[in-house]
Amino acid sequence: DGGITQSPKYLFRKEGQNVTLSCEQNLNHDAMYWYRQDPGQGLRLIYYSQIVNDFQKGDIAEGYSVSREKKESFPLTVTSAQKNPTAFYLCASSISGSIGRSTDTQYFGPGTRLTVL
Amino acid sequence: KQEVTQIPAALSVPEGENLVLNCSFTDSAIYNLQWFRQDPGKGLTSLLLIQSSQREQTSGRLNASLDKSSGRSTLYIAASQPGDSATYLCAVREYGNKLVFGAGTILRVKS
Repeated sequence: DGGITQSPKYLFRKEGQNVTLSCEQNLNHDAMYWYRQDPGQGLRLIYYSQIVNDFQKGDIAEGYSVSREKKESFPLTVTSAQKNPTAFYLCASSISGSIGRSTDTQYFGPGTRLTVL
Repeated sequence: KQEVTQIPAALSVPEGENLVLNCSFTDSAIYNLQWFRQDPGKGLTSLLLIQSSQREQTSGRLNASLDKSSGRSTLYIAASQPGDSATYLCAVREYGNKLVFGAGTILRVKS
């Protein structure tokens, strides 16, 4: 089956800990994205990567880090510098991260819910 | 900075009713606009994508319109069903493939 997988589904973090959220896609997409969703708010972009070994900050990158060593994988690390990390995290991918076609859409994974204890 | 607003924030209707969800955006320089569906605790599923040169798109009981000059889009759901209960998100695509999302409309269709 083609798609995007995220793990774990639920994650609990103690204050001061770093945690890493996994995102894998087998759609052969060039671009991948990480979003954060808080109750009553829309999705906000954390980081995105248009191609392997390259990534850019989104609107709320502080306290997060990413890597893109393989086309299929785009892990997100929530560091201890992120003061309010409790949220629902969504990973997405698209065929192209550049202008591409106006019909290109992003495909989303099932999400990881992170809770700080 | 692009801002996307969705009205109403929540809506409860009886089964069979036709309904309209609204989305507005502040900057008309967009490539396209998408409507997504999100079930509780799940990821997003794309419902309809309207290119900036188009006025509307239809899929089954769903019809989405776009008025780029006024910064508005509507999602029309005909003959609503309990299975339509979900959060509906509107997003505009800016430069590259960056999406800017609204906060969503929580829809409940009562049987």
